[in-house]
Amino acid sequence: KNEVEQSPQNLTAQEGEFITINCSYSVGISALHWLQQHPGGGIVSLFMLSSGKKKHGRLIATINIQEKHSSLHITASHPRDSAVYICAVYGTASKLTFGTGTRLQVTL
Amino acid sequence: NAGVTQTPKFRILKIGQSMTLQCTQDMNHNYMYWYRQDPGMGLKLIYYSVGAGITDKGEVPNGYNVSRSTTEDFPLRLELAAPSQTSVYFCASREGLNTEAFFGQGTRLTVV
Repeated sequence: KNEVEQSPQNLTAQEGEFITINCSYSVGISALHWLQQHPGGGIVSLFMLSSGKKKHGRLIATINIQEKHSSLHITASHPRDSAVYICAVYGTASKLTFGTGTRLQVTL
Repeated sequence: NAGVTQTPKFRILKIGQSMTLQCTQDMNHNYMYWYRQDPGMGLKLIYYSVGAGITDKGEVPNGYNVSRSTTEDFPLRLELAAPSQTSVYFCASREGLNTEAFFGQGTRLTVV
């Protein structure tokens, strides 16, 4: 079992829909990172959080440390949101552990 | 600031050839990392460094070597390329523990 599990693995939505991507982890962490990767592209940081909730534009990230769970929400989704969304956790050592990603496709 | 810069962006190698993937960051970050990304898999840590002169193995170090002679640079060396090393390689850096990681644009390597 991976230390970081994301669901769903693939997600197709219509433009305007509210989207939720989930991340569960099994190790103690100091922080969690949500990342975005467009096809053939680099990896961009969306949020880093260790408690509560953060919002940036149409993106909202929440984390529940006790339940070892985080969610990434996209409101009013748009085709340009189509990408792979990756959850990564900062453990007690120097390293990041990554989930396998959620591939999101938003159609018109 | 350029952030994290990786070169080259693409490379095709023949089995047994060697090459160095370059990674430079201009943010004076102490921590630097090399990851590989295979289809359907999460990023796997190859090597990392917590400062100049200090490197350590990650999950999948076999077939690779690194050095960290300066804070800015963290090159990854493939000595005898094998088809199993076909992957996308990402370099990342961060200032310290519990700080945000920044990623390079990736190097797509194909070994034939």
